[in-house]
Amino acid sequence: GAVVSQHPSRVICKSGTSVKIECRSLDFQATTMFWYRQFPKQSLMLMATSNEGSKATYEQGVEKDKFLINHASLTLSTLTVTSAHPEDSSFYICSARVPLGLAGLTDTQYFGPGTRLTVL
Amino acid sequence: AQSVSQHNHHVILSEAASLELGCNYSYGGTVNLFWYVQYPGQHLQLLLKYFSGDPLVKGIKGFEAEFIKSKFSFNLRKPSVQWSDTAEYFCAADTDKLIFGTGTRLQVFP
Repeated sequence: GAVVSQHPSRVICKSGTSVKIECRSLDFQATTMFWYRQFPKQSLMLMATSNEGSKATYEQGVEKDKFLINHASLTLSTLTVTSAHPEDSSFYICSARVPLGLAGLTDTQYFGPGTRLTVL
Repeated sequence: AQSVSQHNHHVILSEAASLELGCNYSYGGTVNLFWYVQYPGQHLQLLLKYFSGDPLVKGIKGFEAEFIKSKFSFNLRKPSVQWSDTAEYFCAADTDKLIFGTGTRLQVFP
């Protein structure tokens, strides 16, 4: 099956610094990737839709200047948390949408393993 | 706006009991529906999905779900749960983006 990777898996940073999280689709080219945030024991909240070669589309309430998304290639999207604060501590998960008609894949999206961000 | 609701936040069952988790969505157009499972410390995994056709869909590990269009529902069922089914279950609806329900935590005791 398709694999989506995220790097790093865990990151601890000081308040005020910026953190970049990478999401890669390893087996297919993804024109669309998604970024989610999951709080402890809660559901995944969609933050933004990342489209290759164009600006990301952010969900209501998500600060686009704080959560910078870059989808520079068909296999890589990055999320940068700028000037991180303790309230940004969370589990960030990306997913990559499978192109229509791609044989052998059973889902419309594949999820990465997540990145746990802790801001001190 | 598209939304997904799951009625059961925490379900506790004994092994061999039957399971039904509720899921309702609000969207007037064509929607693809999913159930995902997240075992402790692991990725989200797809249990089953509905795109079109037979409204009763079967997934992995003995799970099934029924799409009832008139009720905007997509409930998950399993006739006999096992201890290994202990996990978090998420219903999701996909139009142009995947929206998740709040999740249901299932605990199965031996």
